[in-house]
Amino acid sequence: GAVVSQHPSRVICKSGTSVKIECRSLDFQATTMFWYRQFPKKSLMLMATSNEGSKATYEQGVEKDKFLINHASLTLSTLTVTSAHPEDSSFYICSANVGTSDQETQYFGPGTRLLVL
Amino acid sequence: GDSVTQMEGPVTLSEEAFLTINCTYTATGYPSLFWYVQYPGEGLQLLLKATKADDKGSNKGFEATYRKETTSFHLEKGSVQVSDSAVYFCALSDNNFNKFYFGSGTKLNVKP
Repeated sequence: GAVVSQHPSRVICKSGTSVKIECRSLDFQATTMFWYRQFPKKSLMLMATSNEGSKATYEQGVEKDKFLINHASLTLSTLTVTSAHPEDSSFYICSANVGTSDQETQYFGPGTRLLVL
Repeated sequence: GDSVTQMEGPVTLSEEAFLTINCTYTATGYPSLFWYVQYPGEGLQLLLKATKADDKGSNKGFEATYRKETTSFHLEKGSVQVSDSAVYFCALSDNNFNKFYFGSGTKLNVKP
C-alpha cells in the first residue's frame, strides 16, 4: 500500500518556540493531505485539509495563524505550530488520499508526538 | 453533522474469545465506513472498509457489515489473539471521500 512518512517522530520544545512537522507521501503524489490531532485516549480530530498550491482549509475552532500549513509540492505538506504552548502538546497525524482509483481510503503517517515544556 | 460513536473501552478478553466492538454513525448521504487499527507505538492502519449498504468488509478474521437500517458498522472477530491487542477506530468518510470522522477509539486487551 501507499506509504506516508512524518518527521520528526518526536519533538520536545520550549514554550514560545515554533515547531515544524513534515508529512511526505513516499511513493505517490498527493494533491490533498490532511492533518489530525489526537489527544490522549481520545479520537482523531481533523484540523485542516492541505491542498497543493493553495491555502489550507481549516476546521471550525482551529486557529489558522497558530497552525500554519504549507503544501508546496505534491509529496510534501508541513504543519508549523507557532509560539507553542504546553496545551499544544499532542500527537499530530497526517494522511493522504492515493488518488481516484482508491480515493475512498486514506493512508496515515505514523504521527509526531509534540511535547511543549 | 457527520459523526461516529463507538463503545468505550477498554475491552479485556481472553485469547480465543469472541469480540464485538459496537459502532454507530450519523451522516447525510451515503458515507463509506471503515475500521482502523492502531498498534502500540504505530500509526493508524486500515483494517477493513465497506462503501455501501449491506457490504461486508473483512480482513485478518475481522468482519463488519454496513447496516443502513440501524446505522451501524459493528466490528466482530470469532477468536481473538494476543496480537490483536490495539486500539480500534471506527470512521466514516463523506461522499467525496475527502473528510474522515473518527470514533473515540476502543482499546482491546487480549490476555493469554
